[in-house]
Order: sequence, then C-alpha cells, then structure tokens
Amino acid sequence: ILNVEQSPQSLHVQEGDSTNFTCSFPSSNFYALHWYRWETAKSPEALFVMTLNGDEKKKGRISATLNTKEGYSYLYIKGSQPEDSATYLCASSSYNTDKLIFGTGTRLQVFP
Amino acid sequence: ETGVTQTPRHLVMGMTNKKSLKCEQHLGHNAMYWYKQSAKKPLELMFVYSLEERVENNSVPSRFSPECPNSSHLFLHLHTLQPEDSALYLCASSQDRGDRGYTFGSGTRLTVV
Repeated sequence: ILNVEQSPQSLHVQEGDSTNFTCSFPSSNFYALHWYRWETAKSPEALFVMTLNGDEKKKGRISATLNTKEGYSYLYIKGSQPEDSATYLCASSSYNTDKLIFGTGTRLQVFP
Repeated sequence: ETGVTQTPRHLVMGMTNKKSLKCEQHLGHNAMYWYKQSAKKPLELMFVYSLEERVENNSVPSRFSPECPNSSHLFLHLHTLQPEDSALYLCASSQDRGDRGYTFGSGTRLTVV
C-alpha cells in the first residue's frame, strides 16, 4: 500500500447503532497514525495519535486500534449519536519525512 | 476556536489577481503546514515549515508562494491562479512532528474565476 485508504467512503446509521471504519496505510518506516474528526464548516479535530503496534486508545464512546505490521487501524463508535455525524479522517507518517498523508475520509451520518 | 486562525474565510479572485492567505497560531507550536482540499480528494500537503524554515515543498506550482516570518504566522501568496486551484486551503500547526496531533484552522474557501 502506497497511499492511505479509508473505507467505507460513507456510512448512514441509526442513533444507538455502533459502527466502525477502516484505515489502511503504508507499513514500511511507519511512524504515527492520526485520526481526526471533521464537522462541516469547522476545523478537523484531532482524536487520536497512535504509534505502537497493538495500541488501543479510547475517548468517550470512540476508540481506535492499530496494527502497524499489516498497516491498518480501526475506529469504533459505540452507540452513535447525531452529533457524531462528521467526516473521520485518518493520516499516517513515516520516519523519513515530515509529511502526514491523509486518506479521503469516511463520512458518517447518524439519523435520530 | 482551535487556536489556529485563518483569514479570510472566503476569497474570490480573478486569474490575474494577487492575494494572500493568512494563518496565525499562538499555541507555541514550532511547525506549520499548508494543506489543499479539493472536492473528493484527500487533504494534500503543500508546504511544511519547521522552526520558520521550509522543510517540505510538495511539488507545488510557483504561483503559490509561502512565507513564514515567525513561528506564529504563515502566509500563502497567490499569483495568476487557475480555476482548478479553487479549493479549501487549510493551515495547521504542531509541536515538532505532531505527536499530539495537528491543530487545524477552519480554512479559506478560494474560488478562482
């Protein structure tokens, strides 16, 4: 994998449903994996920065896991709420560059 | 407010105009970035400044000219742009490599006519 890829592109869920999305990234020279939440007309907001293989991070109802050997990360949202509606971006960086490369994002819409 | 302020929020300019985008942060961060967001494309890194020195120029055309006069301010000077340069331009800052994440501004929506 040369680029950061996210799936699905978009997701519609009912309030109360749990959901998850995937981020695939280049595993060679891996340095860090970032997750951001981007609401319409606002700034992207950092959720997690993860560096260690097997790492799991949690923030309220949102959690993320990281597998650096196979190059993927999952973001989970438990009991989705309408205010969780946003685009979720992941980005990865490597040791030999200052570049943070972003995926195209997963757009989540939570219906009441 | 995130601590990173971008002005203007919206800009419409002709292809022969010269304009500048401004980004300001008072978070004490030592790295600043310009990203471009075009429709249905990922955020695309344009420039990276670390300690006020440009460390990354991601093959950006010379009609985009960045300037970082100090660690709190970053400019993007625009000259003879093309309609395909219309996009959302986002500024971000971080401490070092951003191990605690980047802080983004709200962006400037640029339309070139």
